[in-house]
Amino acid sequence: DVKVTQSSRYLVKRTGEKVFLECVQDMDHENMFWYRQDPGLGLRLIYFSYDVKMKEKGDIPEGYSVSREKKERFSLILESASTNQTSMYLCASSSGLGRWDQETQYFGPGTRLLVL
Amino acid sequence: QKEVEQDPGPLSVPEGAIVSLNCTYSNSAFQYFMWYRQYSRKGPELLMYTYSSGNKEDGRFTAQVDKSSKYISLFIRDSQPSDSATYLCAMSAEDYKLSFGAGTTVTVRA
Repeated sequence: DVKVTQSSRYLVKRTGEKVFLECVQDMDHENMFWYRQDPGLGLRLIYFSYDVKMKEKGDIPEGYSVSREKKERFSLILESASTNQTSMYLCASSSGLGRWDQETQYFGPGTRLLVL
Repeated sequence: QKEVEQDPGPLSVPEGAIVSLNCTYSNSAFQYFMWYRQYSRKGPELLMYTYSSGNKEDGRFTAQVDKSSKYISLFIRDSQPSDSATYLCAMSAEDYKLSFGAGTTVTVRA
């Protein structure tokens, strides 16, 4: 079974703090994703990585950065947390083997971040 | 206008009822259509996947796609309390990017 783990289930941070969210997958997947999930808005893609050290901006990258130094680990960084970044953050991975119809995205359990 | 529209509900049905969920979309390039199920405090998990127009059945679940109307549906027959979850539609053109609906929260009452 594919397993995607996220470092924290719940986080409470102060405005202006630098926040790190960590994600690890154990299936040797090429692709990794960070989404945020907000009521009424569904999942919105923040960043996507298709290889180590490679990344692409998603739909809402402002205020976020990412790091992928190792294939299994994808980090989301909030450089200076703001209250409007309070949300549920979901990490996902997919195989990236080129047959995108087999590109099921497997999600982690999510990190619920509260910025005060 | 959002690319994918989904009524957030909530939807409450008695056990054994048929649950009907749907999404509409605006991007005619979408070819692949998925339904994810998300239990409370969990990440989404893929429930069903269909390509282009047509129907797909898997046990109590049936997914339908009508590309001419840009409309997709998910039906759950003989619903069970364990089906209580949020159901998210998702779709993509031929690339990695998924566009999600907002999700519909379903409660099946015992």
